[in-house]
Amino acid sequence: QKEVEQDPGPLSVPEGAIVSLNCTYSNSAFQYFMWYRQYSRKGPELLMYTYSSGNKEDGRFTAQVDKSSKYISLFIRDSQPSDSATYLCAMSAGSNTGKLIFGQGTTLQVKP
Amino acid sequence: DAEITQSPRHKITETGRQVTLACHQTWNHNNMFWYRQDLGHGLRLIHYSYGVQDTNKGEVSDGYSVSRSNTEDLPLTLESAASSQTSVYFCASSDRGAYNEQFFGPGTRLTVL
Repeated sequence: QKEVEQDPGPLSVPEGAIVSLNCTYSNSAFQYFMWYRQYSRKGPELLMYTYSSGNKEDGRFTAQVDKSSKYISLFIRDSQPSDSATYLCAMSAGSNTGKLIFGQGTTLQVKP
Repeated sequence: DAEITQSPRHKITETGRQVTLACHQTWNHNNMFWYRQDLGHGLRLIHYSYGVQDTNKGEVSDGYSVSRSNTEDLPLTLESAASSQTSVYFCASSDRGAYNEQFFGPGTRLTVL
């Protein structure tokens, strides 16, 4: 079993839809939770970062962490065609190693 | 502006050849990482380094090696390329600390025939 599981999709939604992307994990030591966005043929870029449990909002994006369930989510409101990309969750135990464990990535397509 | 670059961007090679992929960062970051990205597997860590002369094996290190002679560069060498090493390779760097954002390069698409 992988430490981090993410449904690879692909996920296709109409413009304006609310998108929910999710990851589950098994390592209870994870404290830092990130979402990276990767456009086609580009390197991943950090989108959202959350420490421990709770919610974080940035514009149309909300990151949610539920450590009791070992479950994290990324919500995209009013999705746009420019949101079409692969979204990767990543986690770290925060042991000064800087190492991240990535999910498989979910490919999202937002249709105009 | 600080950046992280990779070269070549595309490479085709033959089975058994030695191949070196370059990674150069101008962030002055201590931490550098090499990943491979394959469909269904996401990003898997190959090797990483926390500073000059420091290298560590990651999840999928067999058949790969790295060396760190300065802060800016972490070249990845495939000792004897195999078809199973056909993949997209990403280099990343980050600053020291419990958590710091990893900055990724644009990737190298490697095909081993």
